[in-house]
Amino acid sequence: QKEVEQDPGPLSVPEGAIVSLNCTYSNSAFQYFMWYRQYSRKGPELLMYTYSSGNKEDGRFTAQVDKSSKYISLFIRDSQPSDSATYLCAMDRIQGAQKLVFGQGTRLTINP
Amino acid sequence: DAGVTQSPTHLIKTRGQQVTLRCSPKSGHDTVSWYQQALGQGPQFIFQYYEEEERQRGNFPDRFSGHQFPNYSSELNVNALLLGDSALYLCASSFLPGGGTDTQYFGPGTRLTVL
Repeated sequence: QKEVEQDPGPLSVPEGAIVSLNCTYSNSAFQYFMWYRQYSRKGPELLMYTYSSGNKEDGRFTAQVDKSSKYISLFIRDSQPSDSATYLCAMDRIQGAQKLVFGQGTRLTINP
Repeated sequence: DAGVTQSPTHLIKTRGQQVTLRCSPKSGHDTVSWYQQALGQGPQFIFQYYEEEERQRGNFPDRFSGHQFPNYSSELNVNALLLGDSALYLCASSFLPGGGTDTQYFGPGTRLTVL
C-alpha cells in the first residue's frame, strides 16, 4: 500500500467550475502538506503549503487538511484553462526535512 | 534571477551504462534534493545534499550516488543502468538556515531513456 494515494484521473471540467482534488495518506506522522502544480514538460511548482489540520486560502485556491481522517483537499474556484495541469499532493514528517512523499498526481483539464 | 537549472534536457543511454546529471540551484540556496519521476507517477525522493554531504536518502540502491560542489551545484550519478531507470529526474533546491523550510524549488528535469 502506498503511503499517499491520489486518484490519477483524468479529470475534465468546464471553465468556471469548482474543482476538488483529494489525497489520502496512511502515515499519521505526516505534519506538513503541500500541493504542487506540474505543467507538461516542466518541474513541479509549489501552490499551497499547510501545517497540521485546517484550511488555507490563496486567491482562487483553498487547501484543507483533516488529520483525523488522513485526508487533504485542494479546491480551485472559477477554474481557468490555464489551470490545466497535473496536480500533485506531497507530505513531509518533519519541518525542513524536505524528504517529500508525493501522490501519483491528478491530471486536470479545464475546457473553455 | 535564474531558477533551478538542470542539464542535459534529454538523454538516451543503453542498459549497463553510466550517466551523470547536473543541477544548479536557485541563487541563494544551499541544499539540493533529487527526485525520480516515472511516467504517470509522482516524484520519489532519491537523496539530499547539504554542505557537500548526503544528508538523507530514500529507498534507492547504491547504484544511485551524488555529489555537491562548493558552489552548491550537484550531480546525480547512476551506474549499471536498468530499463526501469527511465524517468524524469528532478532537482529541487532550498535554503536550510538551521531549522529549515519545506519550500523547495524544482528544476525542469532531465528526461532519461534507457534502451
